[in-house]
Amino acid sequence: GAVVSQHPSRVICKSGTSVKIECRSLDFQATTMFWYRQFPKKSLMLMATSNEGSKATYEQGVEKDKFLINHASLTLSTLTVTSAHPEDSSFYICSASDYSGQGNQPQHFGDGTRLSIL
Amino acid sequence: GQQVMQIPQYQHVQEGEDFTTYCNSSTTLSNIQWYKQRPGGHPVFLIQLVKSGEVKKQKRLTFQFGEAKKNSSLHITATQTTDVGTYFCAVSGGYNKLIFGAGTRLAVHP
Repeated sequence: GAVVSQHPSRVICKSGTSVKIECRSLDFQATTMFWYRQFPKKSLMLMATSNEGSKATYEQGVEKDKFLINHASLTLSTLTVTSAHPEDSSFYICSASDYSGQGNQPQHFGDGTRLSIL
Repeated sequence: GQQVMQIPQYQHVQEGEDFTTYCNSSTTLSNIQWYKQRPGGHPVFLIQLVKSGEVKKQKRLTFQFGEAKKNSSLHITATQTTDVGTYFCAVSGGYNKLIFGAGTRLAVHP
């Protein structure tokens, strides 16, 4: 159980393109989803928390207009990197949690999306 | 905000040797989670520790939570090549958010 699907797994596109990444919880309802960015051999950096039916909460330093997050249902969150530039190239990974409001729940991660902007 | 220090950054062992990674916080933690990320893969939840002094085992893996709930360790006995990967601890950042440690990358040579 607790499977999270992330698509696409890899994107290579030209500078200025907008890229949409989907994160789906396949066998549970994810009240909360998280978007991380990970540089090679580095830790996961939380970008934003996505809550179903409400606006995402962005971490300090993350541009809201650059990284658009939509959590339209309990099983789907999307991250759109708008007008991507080479410095946006990275590994983006989502996770989902069935947060019950009582302490931390395990997070279940998607396979990640490797984004390369030329 | 909440931070956690994780050491070492990298550990290279011979197959059969033991391995330990440590996480330390300057503040008392409500709980701590451990994840494993294989090369090219995504983090996979291993365990959550909640109680002071808690010790949990999963086969060759032993997880400990300090008495003061400010530190935790993951110990692997007799490493195997399948243990290769990066081990992260993660602590609460509020409202179910997790703050990840820097990770310890484990290399196991046969």
